[in-house]
Amino acid sequence: DTGVSQNPRHKITKRGQNVTFRCDPISEHNRLYWYRQTLGQGPEFLTYFQNEAQLEKSRLLSDRFSAERPKGSFSTLEIQRTEQGDSAMYLCASSFRGGNTDTQYFGPGTRLTVL
Amino acid sequence: GQNIDQPTEMTATEGAIVQINCTYQTSGFNGLFWYQQHAGEAPTFLSYNVLDGLEEKGRFSSFLSRSKGYSYLLLKELQMKDSASYLCAVQTGANNLFFGTGTRLTVIP
Repeated sequence: DTGVSQNPRHKITKRGQNVTFRCDPISEHNRLYWYRQTLGQGPEFLTYFQNEAQLEKSRLLSDRFSAERPKGSFSTLEIQRTEQGDSAMYLCASSFRGGNTDTQYFGPGTRLTVL
Repeated sequence: GQNIDQPTEMTATEGAIVQINCTYQTSGFNGLFWYQQHAGEAPTFLSYNVLDGLEEKGRFSSFLSRSKGYSYLLLKELQMKDSASYLCAVQTGANNLFFGTGTRLTVIP
């Protein structure tokens, strides 16, 4: 079991550029979540997928953000026309929906810095 | 609205016991989770409570009272490596996690 992986680990970009992050969940996990975390705060929910279906999106997810999970395995999060306020750690988590618990396991995150 | 309250910072001595409290008010409740997060790293799962009472796992225990909207995480025999942030999170009816801002614990020799 290799755990959740995310790439890249760090991304520095200029305001106005587009960025894309990738998340590979734990194999056999059917749920995948994206969160954003800024310094001194807890993670904030952005969106989640069950298999390939995007079932919920937070109001934090503006129209500049889009997420996909085309084959129900890995997921990508794209931010278009980045702004300095997008600077944060983007965390991916996965879980297996079954039984009584739905524990989410987090990846190492992608730290985005927008200059 | 939804709210989770935790102390911002705590300090405890190596070898001691520390209790981190969490109170919550959320629109739904499917369980309460505690995560540990070292600086610059991802949160790692510590414990899960869905029923009232105490769950024990080694040096870590977590307690839940749903009627009071209250939980605590108890850490025994503190070690220096326990210095980290401890995040309380509620799984709401929508199945995502709503996190508190975390409690930064510093363990001193």
